[in-house]
Amino acid sequence: SQQGEEDPQALSIQEGENATMNCSYKTSINNLQWYRQNSGRGLVHLILIRSNEREKHSGRLRVTLDTSKKSSSLLITASRAADTASYFCATIHNTNAGKSTFGDGTTLTVKP
Amino acid sequence: ETGVTQTPRHLVMGMTNKKSLKCEQHLGHNAMYWYKQSAKKPLELMFVYSLEERVENNSVPSRFSPECPNSSHLFLHLHTLQPEDSALYLCASSQEAGGSWTGELFFGEGSRLTVL
Repeated sequence: SQQGEEDPQALSIQEGENATMNCSYKTSINNLQWYRQNSGRGLVHLILIRSNEREKHSGRLRVTLDTSKKSSSLLITASRAADTASYFCATIHNTNAGKSTFGDGTTLTVKP
Repeated sequence: ETGVTQTPRHLVMGMTNKKSLKCEQHLGHNAMYWYKQSAKKPLELMFVYSLEERVENNSVPSRFSPECPNSSHLFLHLHTLQPEDSALYLCASSQEAGGSWTGELFFGEGSRLTVL
């Protein structure tokens, strides 16, 4: 299965702390993406990292990719209450054109 | 209008009803998708349309029937659904070029479907 698996399933932290979420997958990928979903809303694309990249930054987000371990991590620094949401990784590879396969997600709660 | 718009946002229907979900994208993208999101399950890809042709159909029951009349519009026709079909149905679009799928998806807000 290409499906990504995130851990932890749920994470609760205080505002200002860092939050780290992990994603593992089973087969080789073209790229990996992280999405955010507020409760009952659509998903919003956060960041894409290609298979030949190891680390990427966007604002308070830092994503790493280890293709040898088939894993990725999403770090949110200096978290805010507004970061409370579910976070999903999605993998894609060219042999399954157009098919992003999503993991179960990590539910992050940031307490003010 | 911005991004990807889905209507209706909420739908309650009986098992014998026929209804449709509508999706419209204003991003000039050439691929559109239907995903199903059930409680405690990962997003399930249902259908993919690229340049208005269906390129993916993930063994979805025939009671779900997609339609893509043009690159900006996507429908999901529903008939004789089951209670287990209750879920959040998400439409997404993307721009794919030269056979290279970056996979970056732009989602609508979803249509929350309840089947009684």
